[in-house]
Amino acid sequence: GNSVTQMEGPVTLSEEAFLTINCTYTATGYPSLFWYVQYPGEGLQLLLKATKADDKGSNKGFEATYRKETTSFHLEKGSVQVSDSAVYFCALNLGGATNKLIFGTGTLLAVQP
Amino acid sequence: GAGVSQSPSNKVTEKGKDVELRCDPISGHTALYWYRQSLGQGLEFLIYFQGNSAPDKSGLPSDRFSAERTGGSVSTLTIQRTQQEDSAVYLCASSSQGGHYGYTFGSGTRLTVV
Repeated sequence: GNSVTQMEGPVTLSEEAFLTINCTYTATGYPSLFWYVQYPGEGLQLLLKATKADDKGSNKGFEATYRKETTSFHLEKGSVQVSDSAVYFCALNLGGATNKLIFGTGTLLAVQP
Repeated sequence: GAGVSQSPSNKVTEKGKDVELRCDPISGHTALYWYRQSLGQGLEFLIYFQGNSAPDKSGLPSDRFSAERTGGSVSTLTIQRTQQEDSAVYLCASSSQGGHYGYTFGSGTRLTVV
């Protein structure tokens, strides 16, 4: 079936450290891939997306590249800030009749000053 | 509206009671989704509405759960005879271009069944 696997948290980093959150997927077709972020006490927000292989999504210093050969969409940021502390969700969408997002379990990131 | 609006933001109910959760999507968005976020369970798809098509109800966990969308806009998720395991945050999202471009989520309704 279609699924998303992301690294378990929590991930604890010092401010200005490099961030990688791994995400791999299993899909029967050609999905679009997403990273959503949930800040404490808030709803989910779309962080970035990529709709086809080799596309790079980027936003707020975060990047992720759609790698079809490794079925991955790892999230990276060169220098994290305390304000990046949140839960990050990787997701895929195959479109078609249902068009539903399939989410990973989320990764809690805690950035310490 | 400017965003997806959900009400109430918090709901505490007694086991066995029925509850209704409301979602007001972004004006003009044809697709509407309900998800459930439980502690330790991640985000679980419940139901999907697209225009006038029959909804995809494949994610509803039991027949105690139902949803409707009136006039292609506001949606109501109803849980009958609530159980403690129904306690979760219920999230609504809408989209105009289909899921390939992402959804806009509401802030959710936190349901606590006591």
